[in-house]
Amino acid sequence: ELKVEQNPLFLSMQEGKNYTIYCNYSTTSDRLYWYRQDPGKSLESLFVLLSNGAVKQEGRLMASLDTKARLSTLHITAAVHDLSATYFCAVTMDSNYQLIWGAGTKLIIKP
Amino acid sequence: DSGVTQTPKHLITATGQRVTLRCSPRSGDLSVYWYQQSLDQGLQFLIQYYNGEERAKGNILERFSAQQFPDLHSELNLSSLELGDSALYFCASSVRTGGSGANVLTFGAGSRLTVL
Repeated sequence: ELKVEQNPLFLSMQEGKNYTIYCNYSTTSDRLYWYRQDPGKSLESLFVLLSNGAVKQEGRLMASLDTKARLSTLHITAAVHDLSATYFCAVTMDSNYQLIWGAGTKLIIKP
Repeated sequence: DSGVTQTPKHLITATGQRVTLRCSPRSGDLSVYWYQQSLDQGLQFLIQYYNGEERAKGNILERFSAQQFPDLHSELNLSSLELGDSALYFCASSVRTGGSGANVLTFGAGSRLTVL
């Protein structure tokens, strides 16, 4: 059974700091997704990582994938308040394309 | 606007009642997914349809049912409602259901159900 674990589940940080959210999954998969959810809002796709070593960046967010370690990271550089949200990672289970979701990391960035 | 339309946005009802949530997928998307999100349970996958057919079932209760119609819109029916069914229900759609490449889901704004 494919399981996805995120850590930390909650993160409070100051603006201007750097931090990393980790997403581990339990079995082989080469498709990993990061989504963002603002409080009370819908989920928005951030990144899709399709191969080992893939790195995607947008603004202050950078995501990477290591399929051998079964690990993806979401790195936040010089955090700003607008990045406060819950970040979810998800992994596809098999060719049926079911996404298995992590529990989400609630990120609060204080001014 | 993501292109995925969900109605109603908010719904308040009593225990034991039945409600129907509606979802219109993004134009061109054939797959529809339903998710439940409550404070203590995170994002729970309920069910997926592809071009009218059920493709996968997750943690969907027997009191819940869904279908996808020929015009590809989908409805999630929740019956014999309990207090614990209070949650945000999301619909998402995507183009594909299998094969190579990515399967990026586009989420609707959600339907917030409150059971009193």
